Amino acid sequence: DTAVSQTPKYLVTQMGNDKSIKCEQNLGHDTMYWYKQDSKKFLKIMFSYNNKELIINETVPNRFSPKSPDKAHLNLHINSLELGDSAVYFCASSHSTYEQYFGPGTRLTVT
Amino acid sequence: GENVEQHPSTLSVQEGDSAVIKCTYSDSASNYFPWYKQELGKRPQLIIDIRSNVGEKKDQRIAVTLNKTAKHFSLHITETQPEDSAVYFCAREGEKLTFGTGTRLTIIP
Repeated sequence: DTAVSQTPKYLVTQMGNDKSIKCEQNLGHDTMYWYKQDSKKFLKIMFSYNNKELIINETVPNRFSPKSPDKAHLNLHINSLELGDSAVYFCASSHSTYEQYFGPGTRLTVT
Repeated sequence: GENVEQHPSTLSVQEGDSAVIKCTYSDSASNYFPWYKQELGKRPQLIIDIRSNVGEKKDQRIAVTLNKTAKHFSLHITETQPEDSAVYFCAREGEKLTFGTGTRLTIIP
């Protein structure tokens, strides 16, 4: 059973397009996150939701909009994609603020 | 602030030898310090963690030490094996989980 799943696994798109990444967790966790991992492997938090409420919103362009329809899902929509958005995006979940379980990642390539 | 400094950025170790990765932080409110391992093309996974009321924790070949006064913590891997090759991230939890910059560990057979 996959604990944290993301779709799609790979996403190749052109500059200016709008795309979405979906995340689901079946662990019963109350907190979900989006991270961006760039080519240098730096892991940077973007957003965090607790019980469907946004609690962390780092300095991320407003082209990025998260949405949590329920506790088990956290989606990420990106408008007007730019070359610099190319990265691996990881969804994660946790109970409270401790161990985080990561999804398999979505490799986004903007051409 | 909230940054976590991690050293070294790359580390090559002969199989069977020990590897040590160190992290320092500045936010004294931190009270939870996990270590994640990320194999090539895979997701980060927790391998060990330590809380601020403990100075050392061991799990088979891996151990973590924490010095809250000096604000640093370290990961120790003994009797390294090829499958230990990966990128290792330290992190600290305050308001959120902040990751170090990662250490690419290569075990030389």
